[in-house]
Amino acid sequence: DIVMTQSPDSLAVSLGERATINCKSSQSVLYSSNNKNYLAWYQQKPGQPPKVLIYWASTRESGVPDRFSGSGSGTDFTLTISSLQAEDVAVYYCQHYYTTPPTFGQGTELEIK
Amino acid sequence: QVQLQESGPGLVNPSETLSLTCTVSGGSISSYYWSWIRQPPGKGPEWIGHIYYSGTTNYNPSLKSRVSISVDTSKNQFSLKLSSVTAADTAVYYCARGALAYGSGSYFDYWGQGTLVTVSS
Repeated sequence: DIVMTQSPDSLAVSLGERATINCKSSQSVLYSSNNKNYLAWYQQKPGQPPKVLIYWASTRESGVPDRFSGSGSGTDFTLTISSLQAEDVAVYYCQHYYTTPPTFGQGTELEIK
Repeated sequence: QVQLQESGPGLVNPSETLSLTCTVSGGSISSYYWSWIRQPPGKGPEWIGHIYYSGTTNYNPSLKSRVSISVDTSKNQFSLKLSSVTAADTAVYYCARGALAYGSGSYFDYWGQGTLVTVSS
């Protein structure tokens, strides 16, 4: 299985400031035939299922605010929230879908400083 | 708008079989891959397996010997059976749709609200 490792485990950021979450895969999730990275990011709030924010490493899901962006390729990826809002407090997960089984990171808990 | 809803017992005895059903509304189950995903308290999600409407399945190797997923297209439902459960199987169980209608690897764009299943006597 591909192991997804996120850093940090928790993060406190002031309102309006930038938040950056990292995700590293144990092997490349870049498919050479289509040059796509099989990597998604999710946001999960208490008592709710995960909600997809980003797929193909950098494509924003419809309806997701443009303060959320994804970057990276191969084995190293980043989710950036450009200006933190109160409603962004949540746990964030990365997930690869390069092979089965798809696997998730351990999560990064984002809170307000 | 596609909606998914899990149903089934919230308490299962150790060594018995966990059974859950997911009902899909707002769209046909007759396309896409349909997954079961679980999340133990305080941990990240774990993919259990998926089924295509045709009945093709793929399971997580870590659970493969105990898992069975089936589909009933006439009812727009798919189901999970997990046998010989232990306390380690206690988790919130979600059903979800694979966003990609081709291939077997996907991210998940629609999720049920989840149902907590506790394994305890």
